[in-house]
Amino acid sequence: AQSVTQLGSHVSVSEGALVLLRCNYSSSVPPYLFWYVQYPNQGLQLLLKYTSAATLVKGINGFEAEFKKSETSFHLTKPSAHMSDAAEYFCAVSARSNFGNEKLTFGTGTRLTIIP
Amino acid sequence: SAVISQKPSRDICQRGTSLTIQCQVDSQVTMMFWYRQQPGQSLTLIATANQGSEATYESGFVIDKFPISRPNLTFSTLTVSNMSPEDSSIYLCSVGSVEGENIQYFGAGTRLSVL
Repeated sequence: AQSVTQLGSHVSVSEGALVLLRCNYSSSVPPYLFWYVQYPNQGLQLLLKYTSAATLVKGINGFEAEFKKSETSFHLTKPSAHMSDAAEYFCAVSARSNFGNEKLTFGTGTRLTIIP
Repeated sequence: SAVISQKPSRDICQRGTSLTIQCQVDSQVTMMFWYRQQPGQSLTLIATANQGSEATYESGFVIDKFPISRPNLTFSTLTVSNMSPEDSSIYLCSVGSVEGENIQYFGAGTRLSVL
């Protein structure tokens, strides 16, 4: 079974400051890990994914995340926040499978606010 | 990636009625998923729909309340039956990537309010 914990339901950062959104996972098998973003009144957009290659994963819009097995973490970072980054961010985990798609288990989400 | 269209985008319904949500994808996909996002909360998987077989429901969700159809590899429907105000949520359809990377792509969702 898999689970995800996102620390901090709300995070506020100043424009231009570092963004750090925390995600810890639990999985009984090697996981696939994902970050999705949800802008107001929209669906979910994939930001980035970890599927077993490089542990530092680069995504869209300048975001990246590092898979740390020893810490069971997959924190999302961006060096310099932009006003357009204001959104809800979800970390998700799925089990690896030779058969393809497995169901996603989502964290509770972190609402990111950017202060001008 | 896949382009996913959901209809309707939003609706306001009376209690006791039913609403069918459609999900259309622009390519053939094996697996489609239906999620619920209650106000201010995360996404919860309702069921997985494979073409040609019965949908697989997660704990807490039953077919009588959320019947699902999957007539072909590009289309699925979710019906929310006998609605109550507690069913007010965003319902999202997602599809698994054709590359088999365990990536899911999401539609924009259907925002349902039940009065």
